[in-house]
Order: sequence, then C-alpha cells, then structure tokens
Amino acid sequence: GQQVMQIPQYQHVQEGEDFTTYCNSSTTLSNIQWYKQRPGGHPVFLIQLVKSGEVKKQKRLTFQFGEAKKNSSLHITATQTTDVGTYFCAGGSSASKIIFGSGTRLSIRP
Amino acid sequence: DSGVTQTPKHLITATGQRVTLRCSPRSGDLSVYWYQQSLDQGLQFLIQYYNGEERAKGNILERFSAQQFPDLHSELNLSSLELGDSALYFCASSSGTGSTYGYTFGSGTRLTVV
Repeated sequence: GQQVMQIPQYQHVQEGEDFTTYCNSSTTLSNIQWYKQRPGGHPVFLIQLVKSGEVKKQKRLTFQFGEAKKNSSLHITATQTTDVGTYFCAGGSSASKIIFGSGTRLSIRP
Repeated sequence: DSGVTQTPKHLITATGQRVTLRCSPRSGDLSVYWYQQSLDQGLQFLIQYYNGEERAKGNILERFSAQQFPDLHSELNLSSLELGDSALYFCASSSGTGSTYGYTFGSGTRLTVV
C-alpha cells in the first residue's frame, strides 16, 4: 500500500539555524499537505501543494513539491523558539484519503 | 478554538472497560476522521465518516467502533480496553471527502487505561 516516509525523525538545532524536513512517497501523490503539532497540542493545517514543482512560502517557511510529485520538503529559515513542535506531511492519493508521514520533531536550543 | 469539539479531554479507566469518545465537527464539515496517537508517535488513521456513512477504514481494532449521527457528530467506542490502548485520540473534520481538503483537528481526548 501507499507509504509516506518522513525524515529526520528528530532534529535539534540552535536558535537561528535553518531546519529542513523531507517527505517521500512510494507512489505519485495528487497533493501534499503539511501540519504542525505544538507540544501538548493538536495538528494544525499549514498548507497544501498540488502542482508539480510547486513552491510556496509562509514567512520563514518554504514548502516544495517535487517535480515527480513523490516528494516534498519544508524548510524553516532562522528558526525561532516558536517553531518548536512536530511537523507532519500528509500525502493525498487517488483513493481520496491522505496518508500522514511519521513526523519530524523539532527542538531548539535558545 | 479550531471549531472541532472533542469530549472528554481526559479519561482514566480500567482494563476491560468500555468508553465513548465524542466529536462535533466544525460547522459545515461533513467528514469526520478519527486518529490515534500513542506517546511520541505518529498519527494512526482509524476510520472516516462522510455525511453519516463510513468511507474509509484504517488499522482500527475489532474492539473499536464508530458512527456518525444525523447531526454529524461522531462517537468512537472503545471496548475491552487494554493498557496499550492508552493514547491521545484525535478527531478531525473536513468539508469534503477528497484528499485535497485540509483537516481541522480537535484538541483530542487523552485516554489512560490503568
């Protein structure tokens, strides 16, 4: 069945450093969504990418969807303590459901 | 407040017992999804309902069942509880049933089985 892999599992950075998490699917995706879950909180929808090669930005966050629509990345520039949390990608398939990746937990040294 | 309401927020119960978790979706959303998140783990998809009908099933145990009522709220029933069922249970809703709809999650029900 379809699988969505996400790496790394954990990332610990110094405040101000950049951070990137990668998402890879075993099959071609129709779309990719990204969610953020703060510690003790619930996942919150960040963005959706649909087009091959699409790049979207939200302030310091840059989201990319691969040309083959099988991978995606989230890059955070100059991390801040408010960026702490777990970032999940979720790949959409023709079966009309999304498959969540295992998440990347980001922690930050002030 | 995300608009998705889950009750109760916390639940402590003994092994072998049965509990019911409740979810009210965001106004206008027809789809409800249930997820299980064990400590420091990912989101395990359990089941989806759309406008009262079951649409997709994930790795949901036979001891678990769910339904969506005419007013679109949903209940997840967990029976013969085991210690390993201790987890955070999230409900999410979306306006449609396709994969291009973003999910709105509730704040979750933390279940502790002792």
